[in-house]
Amino acid sequence: EAGVTQFPSHSVIEKGQTVTLRCDPISGHDNLYWYRRVMGKEIKFLLHFVKESKQDESGMPNNRFLAERTGGTYSTLKVQPAELEDSGVYFCASSQGQNHEQYFGPGTRLTVT
Amino acid sequence: AQSVTQLGSHVSVSEGALVLLRCNYSSSVPPYLFWYVQYPNQGLQLLLKYTSAATLVKGINGFEAEFKKSETSFHLTKPSAHMSDAAEYFCAVSEGDSNYQLIWGAGTKLIIKP
Repeated sequence: EAGVTQFPSHSVIEKGQTVTLRCDPISGHDNLYWYRRVMGKEIKFLLHFVKESKQDESGMPNNRFLAERTGGTYSTLKVQPAELEDSGVYFCASSQGQNHEQYFGPGTRLTVT
Repeated sequence: AQSVTQLGSHVSVSEGALVLLRCNYSSSVPPYLFWYVQYPNQGLQLLLKYTSAATLVKGINGFEAEFKKSETSFHLTKPSAHMSDAAEYFCAVSEGDSNYQLIWGAGTKLIIKP
């Protein structure tokens, strides 16, 4: 069984540009989560999808961040326009049903210059 | 509000020595507690979890953790450290059956001395 995959593994963009991160969850997992770790800080929750619906988006920092999960399969996280403080590692995770055990992808390291 | 405190951003132990990584949490309802590990250049891997069953939880790679409600702690231990245990360890909590959001500690980097 394939694990959670994320693309790209690294992205370097300039301030003001747009970046789209992709996450493919484990097949059959209805729950999909995005987290972020900014350098030197703890990992922070961004949002939680159940299938294609946003269950909890309380961690989204501002309206420059847009997450989608059309069709309830893979998800994208778009940052537009990117700012320097958006640099960090973005993790995606998935879980099945009411199971609290979340499986994580390798992360996307985003650098905004 | 939930919070997780990991004591020590870096912990150094000798190979073969006991590993003890500390985690304290605050939660207004019975929590789900987790330890994750991140090896260099890899993603987050679940080590073990507490979900209100046995208070002593065994995980992968010889690690275990004990849930102590009176102390609001969930410390991670391993009797004998291996060089391959060098990694960053994260304690996380989710609160209640319907809240899946993980709240994380700041992480502890475990250094193994030969």
